Amino acid sequence: DQQVKQNSPSLSVQEGRISILNCDYTNSMFDYFLWYKKYPAEGPTFLISISSIKDKNEDGRFTVFLNKSAKHLSLHIVPSQPGDSAVYFCAAPGLNYGGSQGNLIFGKGTKLSVKP
Amino acid sequence: KAGVTQTPRYLIKTRGQQVTLSCSPISGHRSVSWYQQTPGQGLQFLFEYFSETQRNKGNFPGRFSGRQFSNSRSEMNVSTLELGDSALYLCASSLAGSFSGNTIYFGEGSWLTVV
Repeated sequence: DQQVKQNSPSLSVQEGRISILNCDYTNSMFDYFLWYKKYPAEGPTFLISISSIKDKNEDGRFTVFLNKSAKHLSLHIVPSQPGDSAVYFCAAPGLNYGGSQGNLIFGKGTKLSVKP
Repeated sequence: KAGVTQTPRYLIKTRGQQVTLSCSPISGHRSVSWYQQTPGQGLQFLFEYFSETQRNKGNFPGRFSGRQFSNSRSEMNVSTLELGDSALYLCASSLAGSFSGNTIYFGEGSWLTVV
């Protein structure tokens, strides 16, 4: 079973506060995760990634945390800005016995709204 | 450096027609993959090409096909269009494909409307 789940379809946050977007996965063999941001009618923009050998990766206002035992990762945005309002996707490379399936498996996305 | 370029950005086709979409990956990237995004199904993998060979394929009917040229540029074709093919088609580029440690970059997408 290879699924990536984002159980919150939407999140609303006040400007300047922290945004926390969550992602769960079903396959403990997933070893790499990516977060993308997407505006309507545009392609996803790569934000940040994390390897399973780490439990945290930071890039400016964005930090991703990985909890392998819980098969859970989260993206923290601090401080949140109105321009962060978009849909955020969590993704992982698909797996097969030969290695990569050649695709990214995406969650359904979480729509973040940052209010001024 | 230039990003992933997709053309056309928007197009309208009639049921039964066929369509070809084009993608130019980031310079130096040899892997190109295609995804379909619809409101109900999210982002779904179509196929991946590496060095002109299709390496992986998603669960789509044979009406969906693609190819990659020696310069890594890729095209995807959809024949006998159906209303349900209306979607945003995204091209993704990477150095070597979708696996651990490799970042995948997406183009702006081609919006296809079938009427």
